[in-house]
Amino acid sequence: LAKTTQPISMDSYEGQEVNITCSHNNIATNDYITWYQQFPSQGPRFIIQGYKTKVTNEVASLFIPADRKSSTLSLPRVSLSDTAVYYCLVALRTNAGKSTFGDGTTLTVKP
Amino acid sequence: DTGVSQDPRHKITKRGQNVTFRCDPISEHNRLYWYRQTLGQGPEFLTYFQNEAQLEKSRLLSDRFSAERPKGSFSTLEIQRTEQGDSAMYLCASSPNTGEAFFGQGTRLTVV
Repeated sequence: LAKTTQPISMDSYEGQEVNITCSHNNIATNDYITWYQQFPSQGPRFIIQGYKTKVTNEVASLFIPADRKSSTLSLPRVSLSDTAVYYCLVALRTNAGKSTFGDGTTLTVKP
Repeated sequence: DTGVSQDPRHKITKRGQNVTFRCDPISEHNRLYWYRQTLGQGPEFLTYFQNEAQLEKSRLLSDRFSAERPKGSFSTLEIQRTEQGDSAMYLCASSPNTGEAFFGQGTRLTVV
């Protein structure tokens, strides 16, 4: 299972765009990159998944450079409710639940 | 609610007792995963099933832990002779053959 490295914590203010970068130097050819959000005492919640270039959904964008050794989760116009821990994972899309979670990035959004 | 369901949400037990947790995955998902999460850490992979077959177990899963998925639907995770170090959140997730995994709300175990 590929190891990922993320910043331990980030602070932001309401309305700002937040970018969280994850390093995954040992990503395998068939691995996908997935980001999860977790609130205290809840299970992780899927945010977005991608393989290369850019993926966008209604809550976030995921930017993956050509070498795929890193990825950046972009959260537009964050609000207080986006305060959470964000995890970056790499895993086979055919076995997406077998992943190595790091310690994640604790995002704190301030008013 | 058609998400992953875990029961109970909270369990307090005395050291040495056995406990069993249940996970009901999303119905069309054939893969089911168990994770353990301690305070301040990310979830740690324990084991996974494809249908009723348990295909992999982490070395974290000691002999006191056993998981089953008898009919390829719900799964149970049993911990025998609980120890204080077993106190954690136990998370279940499910996924289809391809695509992302969805997690349940977890079972918080406290061993006193």
